[in-house]
Amino acid sequence: SQKIEQNSEALNIQEGKTATLTCNYTNYSPAYLQWYRQDPGRGPVFLLLIRENEKEKRKERLKVTFDTTLKQSLFHITASQPADSATYLCALPTSGTYKYIFGTGTRLKVLA
Amino acid sequence: NAGVTQTPKFQVLKTGQSMTLQCAQDMNHEYMSWYRQDPGMGLRLIHYSVGAGITDQGEVPNGYNVSRSTTEDFPLRLLSAAPSQTSVYFCASSYRLAGSGELFFGEGSRLTVL
Repeated sequence: SQKIEQNSEALNIQEGKTATLTCNYTNYSPAYLQWYRQDPGRGPVFLLLIRENEKEKRKERLKVTFDTTLKQSLFHITASQPADSATYLCALPTSGTYKYIFGTGTRLKVLA
Repeated sequence: NAGVTQTPKFQVLKTGQSMTLQCAQDMNHEYMSWYRQDPGMGLRLIHYSVGAGITDQGEVPNGYNVSRSTTEDFPLRLLSAAPSQTSVYFCASSYRLAGSGELFFGEGSRLTVL
């Protein structure tokens, strides 16, 4: 079955540094991949989508890469700020359906 | 523009009771779905709908019922609540069917079953 893995351990980084989060998937080849941000007690909020034919996508301080050979996406936040502290989720559409599967998320804490 | 609205935000039930979690969206989205989120498990799809009158099962549908009589509303019914259904429930909608539409989530409904 299709599976997504994100580092379940929290990531602590110093303000101003670049945070890099990893999303690995197995058993299929999705047409695209999405990243969401979730704050405590809130619903996830969409950040970025990257398609299989795109190697990299940028939005302000965010950058996402998609390596279909490695079956991996990297999510980067440059010049990180304490306000970037949240849990970040990756999501994929399952093959041939309208069903999305989500990773468990990585909690990021940016230290001032 | 309210987006996706879920009610109630908090609910406590006793085992065996039934209830309905409400979800409404005002964006004219065709696709709507329900997820549950548990610690260490991530978001898991319960049921989804691609339009009025059309529903289908997700990954964890047992113990839950849905219907989609209008584009705007997608209620989730717990038929006979069990402690294993203690969770945070999220409703999500999208403006595009299986076409990479971003999901818009509600704020969640926290359910405790005693």
